[in-house]
Amino acid sequence: AQTVTQSQPEMSVQEAETVTLSCTYDTSENNYYLFWYKQPPSRQMILVIRQEAYKQQNATENRFSVNFQKAAKSFSLKISDSQLGDTAMYFCAFMKHAGSGSEKLVFGKGTKLTVNP
Amino acid sequence: EAGVVQSPRYKIIEKKQPVAFWCNPISGHNTLYWYRQNLGQGPELLIRYENEEAVDDSQLPKDRFSAERLKGVDSTLKIQPAELGDSAVYLCASSSLGGREGLEQFFGPGTRLTVL
Repeated sequence: AQTVTQSQPEMSVQEAETVTLSCTYDTSENNYYLFWYKQPPSRQMILVIRQEAYKQQNATENRFSVNFQKAAKSFSLKISDSQLGDTAMYFCAFMKHAGSGSEKLVFGKGTKLTVNP
Repeated sequence: EAGVVQSPRYKIIEKKQPVAFWCNPISGHNTLYWYRQNLGQGPELLIRYENEEAVDDSQLPKDRFSAERLKGVDSTLKIQPAELGDSAVYLCASSSLGGREGLEQFFGPGTRLTVL
């Protein structure tokens, strides 16, 4: 079974600064995907960024980037130029590879990020 | 394009009462998921459908929970009877079936259930 660990229950950052959220995972799978999801107070979960384990290059989506260390089973999220709208719960999630591309997500417990003005 | 729709948004019931949640996935999405999110935790899968077929229901407490997805579109999740420990947010998600498109799951706003 896969597990996902987020060791930072809460974090805060000043607006316009950079923050890094940590995530580690445990799996015996070789092919899998990793995700960061954002859940604002309104509760709707939104995909922030994803990484395919077979790709060495770290994924980037505008102000969001990841540091994927496959050997260390580490998958951190960096948010640059933080904005007030980034305030939310952030969940790291794992999905094992399946031919259909459809599998369950295994989530960590989340990190509550607050961006201060 | 409309997102995943869930109703009701909130439900308060007495223990031992039945309750049902409804989900309408994004049009054309073959795969539908029900997750339960306890307070302060990440979501955990209850059941996954591919079209009408439940392909993963290993985490569904079958003594009191049931689900159906008639015609492979809308889905209903039922609890009967509800227990205090069932208080949680029930999230529905959907994804398309196949390739990289199937990697992204789109979530609804959830139903917050409170059992008194």
